[in-house]
Amino acid sequence: DAGVIQSPRHEVTEMGQEVTLRCKPISGHNSLFWYRQTMMRGLELLIYFNNNVPIDDSGMPEDRFSAKMPNASFSTLKIQPSEPRDSAVYFCASRTTSRGQETQYFGPGTRLLVL
Amino acid sequence: QKEVEQDPGPLSVPEGAIVSLNCTYSNSAFQYFMWYRQYSRKGPELLMYTYSSGNKEDGRFTAQVDKSSKYISLFIRDSQPSDSATYLCAMSMGGAQKLVFGQGTRLTINP
Repeated sequence: DAGVIQSPRHEVTEMGQEVTLRCKPISGHNSLFWYRQTMMRGLELLIYFNNNVPIDDSGMPEDRFSAKMPNASFSTLKIQPSEPRDSAVYFCASRTTSRGQETQYFGPGTRLLVL
Repeated sequence: QKEVEQDPGPLSVPEGAIVSLNCTYSNSAFQYFMWYRQYSRKGPELLMYTYSSGNKEDGRFTAQVDKSSKYISLFIRDSQPSDSATYLCAMSMGGAQKLVFGQGTRLTINP
């Protein structure tokens, strides 16, 4: 199992540019989560999907952020326009709702720097 | 006030010491409690998972939950340099959905 795959691993962009982060969840997992991690605020949930449907986007900071999950194997998080305060590590995680110990499996993250 | 409070450290201890990491929380509806370990430049990985109050042991790791005090702990026995990482507590009202994380405690085990 390849685990959760995120791309790109690193992104440097200029303020005002559009940024698209990509995530491939673990096959068979039906929940997907997007998090943002900063030194000041720690790990924050932005949005999560169940069966490709957005369930809770209350953590999305503002309208500049949007997320989609067109199918069970792919999700995107888009920031348009980007701002320096968006600089952070963005993690994608997936989870299965099958019985047994439940956990979220995290990807390696995308380090975003907005200049 | 944050829902989950965790001392960010850093915490530095000698190899072989017993480490105690703690979190407090304010939401009495939390039922599931987890500890994640995050190595530098990696994603968090689940270390311990506990439902409701009580203790859970896994090798050198013990997780304790005291719901009456809204306090959870992680103990590491015979600490090793490979345990050096950031430890995040997390909790939820319903399994692994919508986890709320602590700030994370950065731990260093010195050889």
